[in-house]
Amino acid sequence: QVHLVESGGGVVQPGRSLRLSCAASGFTFSTYGIHWVRQAPGKGLEWVAVISYDGSNKKYADSVKGRFTISRDSSKNTLWLQMNSLRAEDTAVYYCARDMAVGEMDVWGQGTTVTVSS
Amino acid sequence: EIVLTQSPATLSLSPGERATLSCRASQSVSNYLAWYQQKPGQAPRLLIYGASNRATGIPARFSGSGSGTDFTLTISSLEPEDFAVYYCQQRNNWPLTFGEGTKVEIK
Repeated sequence: QVHLVESGGGVVQPGRSLRLSCAASGFTFSTYGIHWVRQAPGKGLEWVAVISYDGSNKKYADSVKGRFTISRDSSKNTLWLQMNSLRAEDTAVYYCARDMAVGEMDVWGQGTTVTVSS
Repeated sequence: EIVLTQSPATLSLSPGERATLSCRASQSVSNYLAWYQQKPGQAPRLLIYGASNRATGIPARFSGSGSGTDFTLTISSLEPEDFAVYYCQQRNNWPLTFGEGTKVEIK
Protein backbone atom coordinates (compact mmCIF):
# COMPACT_ATOMS: atom_id res chain seq x y z
CA GLN A 1 0.00 0.00 0.00
CA VAL A 2 1.40 3.35 -1.06
CA HIS A 3 1.32 5.85 1.78
CA LEU A 4 2.50 9.32 2.69
CA VAL A 5 2.10 10.45 6.29
CA GLU A 6 2.72 14.04 7.35
CA SER A 7 3.57 15.14 10.87
CA GLY A 8 4.99 18.10 12.73
CA GLY A 9 2.13 20.56 12.48
CA GLY A 10 0.98 22.66 15.40
CA VAL A 11 0.40 26.14 16.72
CA VAL A 12 3.34 28.52 16.42
CA GLN A 13 3.82 32.24 16.98
CA PRO A 14 4.52 34.59 14.06
CA GLY A 15 8.20 34.79 13.26
CA ARG A 16 8.97 31.37 14.69
CA SER A 17 9.95 28.17 12.89
CA LEU A 18 8.44 24.73 12.38
CA ARG A 19 9.61 21.62 10.55
CA LEU A 20 7.13 19.31 8.86
CA SER A 21 7.91 15.70 7.99
CA CYS A 22 6.47 13.37 5.39
CA ALA A 23 7.12 9.64 5.78
CA ALA A 24 6.74 7.49 2.67
CA SER A 25 6.05 3.77 2.41
CA GLY A 26 4.94 1.23 -0.16
CA PHE A 27 6.96 2.58 -3.09
CA THR A 28 10.54 3.32 -4.08
CA PHE A 29 10.85 6.76 -2.52
CA SER A 30 14.20 7.51 -4.16
CA THR A 31 12.70 7.46 -7.66
CA TYR A 32 9.98 10.07 -7.16
CA GLY A 33 9.85 13.81 -6.79
CA ILE A 34 7.68 15.02 -3.93
CA HIS A 35 5.62 18.19 -3.53
CA TRP A 36 4.26 20.20 -0.62
CA VAL A 37 0.82 21.71 -1.22
CA ARG A 38 -1.14 23.72 1.32
CA GLN A 39 -4.75 24.70 1.85
CA ALA A 40 -5.73 27.65 4.03
CA PRO A 41 -8.96 27.25 5.99
CA GLY A 42 -11.94 27.33 3.62
CA LYS A 43 -9.70 28.08 0.63
CA GLY A 44 -8.32 26.30 -2.41
CA LEU A 45 -5.07 24.48 -3.01
CA GLU A 46 -1.73 26.29 -3.23
CA TRP A 47 1.43 24.63 -4.45
CA VAL A 48 4.34 25.33 -2.08
CA ALA A 49 7.48 23.47 -3.18
CA VAL A 50 8.87 20.42 -4.95
CA ILE A 51 12.06 18.42 -4.70
CA SER A 52 13.35 16.10 -7.41
CA TYR A 53 13.82 12.37 -6.89
CA ASP A 54 17.52 12.80 -6.02
CA GLY A 55 17.25 16.11 -4.16
CA SER A 56 19.27 17.98 -6.75
CA ASN A 57 16.49 20.23 -7.96
CA LYS A 58 14.13 22.27 -5.81
CA LYS A 59 11.50 24.84 -6.68
CA TYR A 60 9.39 27.11 -4.49
CA ALA A 61 6.35 29.31 -4.69
CA ASP A 62 7.21 33.01 -4.48
CA SER A 63 5.13 33.26 -1.30
CA VAL A 64 7.57 31.01 0.59
CA LYS A 65 10.86 31.50 -1.25
CA GLY A 66 13.66 32.40 1.14
CA ARG A 67 11.66 31.28 4.19
CA PHE A 68 10.88 27.60 3.50
CA THR A 69 13.34 24.85 2.61
CA ILE A 70 12.42 21.45 1.21
CA SER A 71 14.76 18.50 1.74
CA ARG A 72 14.76 14.72 1.71
CA ASP A 73 16.66 11.68 2.92
CA SER A 74 15.96 8.65 0.77
CA SER A 75 17.73 6.35 3.26
CA LYS A 76 14.98 7.29 5.70
CA ASN A 77 12.15 7.54 3.12
CA THR A 78 11.44 10.96 4.56
CA LEU A 79 10.79 14.45 3.22
CA TRP A 80 10.90 17.64 5.25
CA LEU A 81 9.70 21.21 4.98
CA GLN A 82 11.60 23.64 7.18
CA MET A 83 9.45 26.71 7.65
CA ASN A 84 11.08 29.85 9.07
CA SER A 85 9.78 33.36 9.70
CA LEU A 86 6.23 32.07 9.78
CA ARG A 87 3.37 34.45 9.09
CA ALA A 88 -0.35 34.32 9.80
CA GLU A 89 -0.96 33.70 6.10
CA ASP A 90 1.02 30.44 6.32
CA THR A 91 -1.81 28.97 8.39
CA ALA A 92 -3.04 25.96 6.42
CA VAL A 93 -3.24 22.22 6.11
CA TYR A 94 0.02 21.08 4.54
CA TYR A 95 -0.02 18.02 2.29
CA CYS A 96 2.88 16.13 0.81
CA ALA A 97 2.14 14.56 -2.56
CA ARG A 98 4.04 12.25 -4.90
CA ASP A 99 4.95 13.57 -8.32
CA MET A 100 3.60 11.19 -10.95
CA ALA A 101 5.58 12.46 -13.89
CA VAL A 102 6.48 16.15 -14.01
CA GLY A 103 3.96 17.96 -11.93
CA GLU A 104 0.86 15.84 -11.47
CA MET A 105 0.36 14.52 -7.96
CA ASP A 106 -0.95 10.97 -7.76
CA VAL A 107 -0.55 10.09 -4.09
CA TRP A 108 -1.36 12.45 -1.22
CA GLY A 109 -0.91 12.30 2.52
CA GLN A 110 -3.73 13.11 4.93
CA GLY A 111 -2.23 16.51 5.79
CA THR A 112 -0.90 18.22 8.90
CA THR A 113 -2.29 21.48 10.24
CA VAL A 114 -0.13 24.53 10.86
CA THR A 115 -1.60 27.48 12.72
CA VAL A 116 0.43 30.67 13.02
CA SER A 117 -1.01 32.81 15.76
CA SER A 118 0.11 34.86 18.73
CA GLU B 1 2.25 32.91 -13.28
CA ILE B 2 -0.47 31.06 -15.13
CA VAL B 3 -3.91 31.77 -13.72
CA LEU B 4 -6.54 29.04 -14.00
CA THR B 5 -10.15 30.19 -13.90
CA GLN B 6 -12.76 27.56 -13.11
CA SER B 7 -16.45 27.90 -13.83
CA PRO B 8 -19.01 27.74 -12.50
CA ALA B 9 -18.03 28.24 -8.88
CA THR B 10 -20.92 26.01 -7.83
CA LEU B 11 -22.88 23.46 -9.83
CA SER B 12 -26.17 22.22 -8.38
CA LEU B 13 -27.24 18.93 -9.91
CA SER B 14 -29.13 15.76 -9.07
CA PRO B 15 -27.71 12.22 -9.04
CA GLY B 16 -27.79 10.77 -12.53
CA GLU B 17 -27.32 14.13 -14.22
CA ARG B 18 -24.33 15.12 -16.35
CA ALA B 19 -21.80 17.56 -14.91
CA THR B 20 -19.64 19.78 -17.10
CA LEU B 21 -16.87 21.74 -15.39
CA SER B 22 -14.67 24.30 -17.14
CA CYS B 23 -11.07 25.40 -16.57
CA ARG B 24 -9.57 28.24 -18.59
CA ALA B 25 -5.86 29.11 -18.50
CA SER B 26 -4.46 32.64 -18.85
CA GLN B 27 -1.99 31.29 -21.42
CA SER B 28 -1.49 28.01 -23.17
CA VAL B 29 -0.60 25.03 -20.98
CA SER B 30 -0.57 22.60 -23.93
CA ASN B 31 -2.18 19.43 -22.51
CA TYR B 32 -0.38 19.67 -19.16
CA LEU B 33 -3.52 19.90 -17.11
CA ALA B 34 -4.78 17.71 -14.29
CA TRP B 35 -8.06 17.47 -12.40
CA TYR B 36 -8.48 16.58 -8.72
CA GLN B 37 -11.47 15.78 -6.54
CA GLN B 38 -11.58 16.78 -2.89
CA LYS B 39 -14.20 15.81 -0.35
CA PRO B 40 -14.58 17.58 3.02
CA GLY B 41 -11.84 16.66 5.47
CA GLN B 42 -9.98 14.60 2.88
CA ALA B 43 -6.89 15.07 0.74
CA PRO B 44 -7.32 15.72 -2.98
CA ARG B 45 -7.44 12.74 -5.33
CA LEU B 46 -6.02 12.77 -8.83
CA LEU B 47 -8.72 12.10 -11.44
CA ILE B 48 -7.30 13.16 -14.79
CA TYR B 49 -3.76 13.92 -16.01
CA GLY B 50 -2.48 15.08 -19.38
CA ALA B 51 -5.90 16.71 -19.91
CA SER B 52 -7.66 13.48 -20.86
CA ASN B 53 -6.04 10.46 -19.17
CA ARG B 54 -7.86 8.86 -16.27
CA ALA B 55 -5.70 8.11 -13.26
CA THR B 56 -5.53 4.60 -11.86
CA GLY B 57 -8.83 3.40 -10.45
CA ILE B 58 -10.90 6.34 -11.67
CA PRO B 59 -14.31 5.31 -13.04
CA ALA B 60 -15.06 5.74 -16.72
CA ARG B 61 -17.83 8.26 -16.00
CA PHE B 62 -15.06 10.82 -15.48
CA SER B 63 -13.55 12.23 -18.65
CA GLY B 64 -11.35 15.19 -19.51
CA SER B 65 -10.87 17.10 -22.71
CA GLY B 66 -9.25 20.22 -24.10
CA SER B 67 -5.86 21.66 -24.90
CA GLY B 68 -4.18 25.03 -24.97
CA THR B 69 -6.28 27.28 -22.75
CA ASP B 70 -9.71 25.62 -22.51
CA PHE B 71 -10.38 22.39 -20.66
CA THR B 72 -13.44 20.47 -19.54
CA LEU B 73 -14.06 17.79 -16.92
CA THR B 74 -17.23 15.81 -17.57
CA ILE B 75 -18.96 13.46 -15.19
CA SER B 76 -21.39 11.56 -17.38
CA SER B 77 -23.85 10.50 -14.69
CA LEU B 78 -23.39 11.76 -11.15
CA GLU B 79 -23.15 9.20 -8.40
CA PRO B 80 -23.79 10.22 -4.75
CA GLU B 81 -20.05 9.98 -4.01
CA ASP B 82 -19.21 12.49 -6.77
CA PHE B 83 -20.54 15.51 -4.89
CA ALA B 84 -17.31 17.29 -3.98
CA VAL B 85 -15.00 20.13 -4.99
CA TYR B 86 -13.00 19.78 -8.19
CA TYR B 87 -9.73 21.56 -8.94
CA CYS B 88 -7.74 21.90 -12.13
CA GLN B 89 -3.95 22.26 -12.03
CA GLN B 90 -1.36 23.10 -14.67
CA ARG B 91 2.19 21.82 -14.90
CA ASN B 92 3.28 23.64 -18.05
CA ASN B 93 5.03 26.48 -16.21
CA TRP B 94 6.52 27.14 -12.80
CA PRO B 95 5.04 27.86 -10.37
CA LEU B 96 2.49 25.08 -10.56
CA THR B 97 -0.95 26.61 -10.11
CA PHE B 98 -4.43 25.42 -9.23
CA GLY B 99 -7.81 26.82 -10.13
CA GLU B 100 -10.09 28.10 -7.36
CA GLY B 101 -12.31 25.04 -7.59
CA THR B 102 -15.85 24.11 -8.61
CA LYS B 103 -18.17 22.73 -5.98
CA VAL B 104 -20.61 20.13 -7.27
CA GLU B 105 -23.51 20.05 -4.84
CA ILE B 106 -26.72 18.08 -4.62
CA LYS B 107 -29.72 19.97 -5.97
